[in-house]
Amino acid sequence: GQQLNQSPQSMFIQEGEDVSMNCTSSSIFNTWLWYKQDPGEGPVLLIALYKAGELTSNGRLTAQFGITRKDSFLNISASIPSDVGIYFCAGQRSTSNTGKLIFGQGTTLQVKP
Amino acid sequence: NAGVTQTPKFRILKIGQSMTLQCAQDMNHNYMYWYRQDPGMGLKLIYYSVGAGITDKGEVPNGYNVSRSTTEDFPLRLELAAPSQTSVYFCASSSPGLVSYEQYFGPGTRLTVT
Repeated sequence: GQQLNQSPQSMFIQEGEDVSMNCTSSSIFNTWLWYKQDPGEGPVLLIALYKAGELTSNGRLTAQFGITRKDSFLNISASIPSDVGIYFCAGQRSTSNTGKLIFGQGTTLQVKP
Repeated sequence: NAGVTQTPKFRILKIGQSMTLQCAQDMNHNYMYWYRQDPGMGLKLIYYSVGAGITDKGEVPNGYNVSRSTTEDFPLRLELAAPSQTSVYFCASSSPGLVSYEQYFGPGTRLTVT
């Protein structure tokens, strides 16, 4: 089945640094979502994007729906230790009424205090 | 609101055994989903349901079965457990409409088959 290409696969950064990650697809998506998964927990929705070019913030997190509709970006500013976890992008490829999502492989973020 | 709940949290099965993973949501969501997550991988859809009495296969349905007799519950059944089914299983739900793609996840069931 189709998967989204998410990069980088992992990041190890210093507290206070900014973080960027992205997700790309060969197909057009109508919706992009970004989730965070803490160790031992289920994914939690961070940001949802519904229109090409849309830029949405949630605290220190900012995500963008790419203008081509084939990619999305997530930025985290001034990282803190609690930002540690796995970040997943997810997309909705069609206008079907099932709500099904396609997920990227995840970006593992580690933050050094 | 408890959101999406899953039981058990952990389970060890022997090859060939059967079990049911329970999932319930109290948000009156019509849509429910089962995913598996293998180490270093994303989430793969096993089965999904768009309402009580309606289920359909996802990307990796082999070895699993589901039923949806109520809006709230969506159990996942493993009939003959195999080592390849060792994984973390997540249940999720969403509501139809503009935000139908915003899925909310349970805490997961960690299953080991030996």
